[in-house]
Amino acid sequence: GPKVLQIPSHQIIDMGQMVTLNCDPVSNHLYFYWYKQILGQQMEFLVNFYNGKVMEKSKLFKDQFSVERPDGSYFTLKIQPTALEDSAVYFCASSFQNSAETLYFGSGTRLTVL
Amino acid sequence: QEKVQQSPESLIVPEGAMVSLNCSFSDSASQSIWWYQQHPGKGPKALISIFSNGNKKEGRLTVYLNRASLHVSLHIKDSQPSDSAVYLCAVIQANYGNEKITFGAGTKLTIKP
Repeated sequence: GPKVLQIPSHQIIDMGQMVTLNCDPVSNHLYFYWYKQILGQQMEFLVNFYNGKVMEKSKLFKDQFSVERPDGSYFTLKIQPTALEDSAVYFCASSFQNSAETLYFGSGTRLTVL
Repeated sequence: QEKVQQSPESLIVPEGAMVSLNCSFSDSASQSIWWYQQHPGKGPKALISIFSNGNKKEGRLTVYLNRASLHVSLHIKDSQPSDSAVYLCAVIQANYGNEKITFGAGTKLTIKP
């Protein structure tokens, strides 16, 4: 089936550093999402993105977070600067039309902030 | 804000048993409900969705939606060890053309051979 690729699978960084998480969504999909999952806890919505713009973001999407998809390349989540509480698994998802359609998730990037 | 609660938190059943997973939500105007399967170290994978009251069957899976009681259930027939995973209920809310998804905390299912 369609695949969403996330790079890297693991990332360890020091608190205060910048990190960029990369997502290669399904090729013809138009809607992109980031979710955060702390180990053993609920998957939580961060942001969705369509047509070059953030459509909606949650309270978890702090000012230190930003997303972009320059020229149809990777859909990225950047955190600058990172904090200890940013440690989690970040999942990227994409869908063809909107979230009423099937969402395809990547395998996640496990971010550890030391 | 939509609240999604799943029960039980975990479930262990023998291979071949029927499995029933429950999900309750708070917004009766929710557009549709999806069930996702998540294996360890992997992202969620969409299994089945339902929009209208009633039931929907796909293979070994049947989902029941009752909007009046704000409840949806997933039933897995003839369970197999490969069905062992966390099952997530996701509720879609229409929001002026910008739908929002809220996930439950999940039910961890273990099928014993």
